[in-house]
Amino acid sequence: GDSVTQMEGPVTLSEEAFLTINCTYTATGYPSLFWYVQYPGEGLQLLLKATKADDKGSNKGFEATYRKETTSFHLEKGSVQVSDSAVYFCALTVSGGYNKLIFGAGTRLAVHP
Amino acid sequence: NAGVTQTPKFQVLKTGQSMTLQCAQDMNHEYMSWYRQDPGMGLRLIHYSVGAGITDQGEVPNGYNVSRSTTEDFPLRLLSAAPSQTSVYFCASSYEGRTSGANVLTFGAGSRLTVL
Repeated sequence: GDSVTQMEGPVTLSEEAFLTINCTYTATGYPSLFWYVQYPGEGLQLLLKATKADDKGSNKGFEATYRKETTSFHLEKGSVQVSDSAVYFCALTVSGGYNKLIFGAGTRLAVHP
Repeated sequence: NAGVTQTPKFQVLKTGQSMTLQCAQDMNHEYMSWYRQDPGMGLRLIHYSVGAGITDQGEVPNGYNVSRSTTEDFPLRLLSAAPSQTSVYFCASSYEGRTSGANVLTFGAGSRLTVL
């Protein structure tokens, strides 16, 4: 069945470092791909999305490209800030519609000054 | 615009007790869903609804009931709580379409449930 695999955390970086969080997926059909972010004590909020192969989603300096050939959707940011500390979830839409999502396990990012 | 509102934020139950987690959205979204979040497992879909009067099971439905009598409300019921249901529960809503906000889940702040 459909699944999402994320790199395990926690990821600990210094401020202004480069960030990559790996995400690969297995899916039937042509899913949309998402990155959601969860700040401490809050619900999840959409960070970026891509709906078809080679699309690049971007928001707040974060980017991810939908790579069908490698079934990947890696999250990157050129220079992280302390305020980026959060848990990041990669997700895909389940075949059959209705906006149901399958999530990866989440990757916790801690950024230190 | 309140978005998705969940209550209560925290709840402690004893094994065998029943309770209802409330979820309400004011965005007129057609789709609503419940997920549970457990460490190392991400979020897993419990139940979902595609409109008033229509619900279906997700990945982990056992031990939970839902109903959707109005577009706005989607309560999650635990009839006989078990320690395995200790988790953080998130309600989400969305709509289908081609606009930039379509097909994106809006989440509530979560409800942390502990079953002793």
